[in-house]
Amino acid sequence: EDKVVQSPLSLVVHEGDTVTLNCSYEVTNFRSLLWYKQEKKAPTFLFMLTSSGIEKKSGRLSSILDKKELFSILNITATRTGDSAIYLCAVRHQGAQKLVFGQGTRLTINP
Amino acid sequence: GAVVSQHPSWVICKSGTSVKIECRSLDFQATTMFWYRQFPKQSLMLMATSNEGSKATYEQGVEKDKFLINHASLTLSTLTVTSAHPEDSSFYICSATTVRFSNEQFFGPGTRLTVL
Repeated sequence: EDKVVQSPLSLVVHEGDTVTLNCSYEVTNFRSLLWYKQEKKAPTFLFMLTSSGIEKKSGRLSSILDKKELFSILNITATRTGDSAIYLCAVRHQGAQKLVFGQGTRLTINP
Repeated sequence: GAVVSQHPSWVICKSGTSVKIECRSLDFQATTMFWYRQFPKQSLMLMATSNEGSKATYEQGVEKDKFLINHASLTLSTLTVTSAHPEDSSFYICSATTVRFSNEQFFGPGTRLTVL
């Protein structure tokens, strides 16, 4: 059975801190891993990772995938209160369109 | 581009009634739409995959007679929760995808259903 596990489930830090969110997976025929940010409504896309060791970066956010160890991390530097959200990791199979989501990490940034 | 809308954004209904939720891709034709359910403080759980013009594929444990999905056109899919009960109260989110966007899923804003 496919499994996507995120850690920590909840994290509270102060503005300016750097955070690292983890996502490990066990899926057959892995194709890609995606990160989403969910505030009050639907998830918004952050990154899609398909190859090991290649860092994807967008402003203060970055992510990398390790296909040998079957995990990915999402880093956020110089956090702001607006980064408070649930961060979801999802995995997609080869030849399939559906996504398998992890439980999410609820990140709270305090001023 | 790649905007997905849902209607209604929230609905409250009495137990035993049916509720229809619409999911529309506004500026692209979606070959496939997905329906997810999210309970409070939990992740998105895929309910079904819907391809235009064919029957939806339901995930294990999802009752197809209770959650009716119709994908009548390339821009519209509907989810009908039949004979709703309080345990069906949840946040329902759809997503749409197309080959043109490398099958990336674009999510709608969600519909919060409360069954009294």
